[in-house]
Amino acid sequence: AQSVTQLDSHVSVSEGTPVLLRCNYSSSYSPSLFWYVQHPNKGLQLLLKYTSAATLVKGINGFEAEFKKSETSFHLTKPSAHMSDAAEYFCVVSDGRGSTLGRLYFGRGTQLTVWP
Amino acid sequence: DSGVTQTPKHLITATGQRVTLRCSPRSGDLSVYWYQQSLDQGLQFLIQYYNGEERAKGNILERFSAQQFPDLHSELNLSSLELGDSALYFCASSVGPEATQYFGPGTRLLVL
Repeated sequence: AQSVTQLDSHVSVSEGTPVLLRCNYSSSYSPSLFWYVQHPNKGLQLLLKYTSAATLVKGINGFEAEFKKSETSFHLTKPSAHMSDAAEYFCVVSDGRGSTLGRLYFGRGTQLTVWP
Repeated sequence: DSGVTQTPKHLITATGQRVTLRCSPRSGDLSVYWYQQSLDQGLQFLIQYYNGEERAKGNILERFSAQQFPDLHSELNLSSLELGDSALYFCASSVGPEATQYFGPGTRLLVL
């Protein structure tokens, strides 16, 4: 079964400091992993996705995530936070690669607050 | 803008009523997915369609049903509504099951 655990429900950082949002996953298959962001009263936007290529994945707006199979982790990082990064972030795992299904399994989300 | 459209944006109705939520996928996308976002359950997969056929069901109540039409748009029907059905309902689409899913802006349902 597929599942993700986001280890922090809230993260607060100052503008210009690094961001780390932690995610552990569980998957019965070779996983596809994603980070989505949801700004207030907005839909979900894809930040980045990991399939099977490079373990360090670069996304939009300076975010990146590293797939670590040995640790079953897929943490999201950004070197320098910006006020516009304040939002809710979801770590997501899908049905495994090669599956004919494409269900997404969402973590509970991490609310990122950025202080000026 | 993801290219996925959902109507209506907001819906307020009463318990026991029935509503229909509509989703138009991105041009060329054959797969449509419905998700529910609520405070207590978080974001949950409801149902998946591929080229008009149901592919997978998640935690979808029997009072809920969906379909995908020949023009590939999809509708989610919610009946005998209860207070607990109040949530944000998202539609997503993709070219196929393994492709990236793009989400619509959602329909916010409030059941009074």
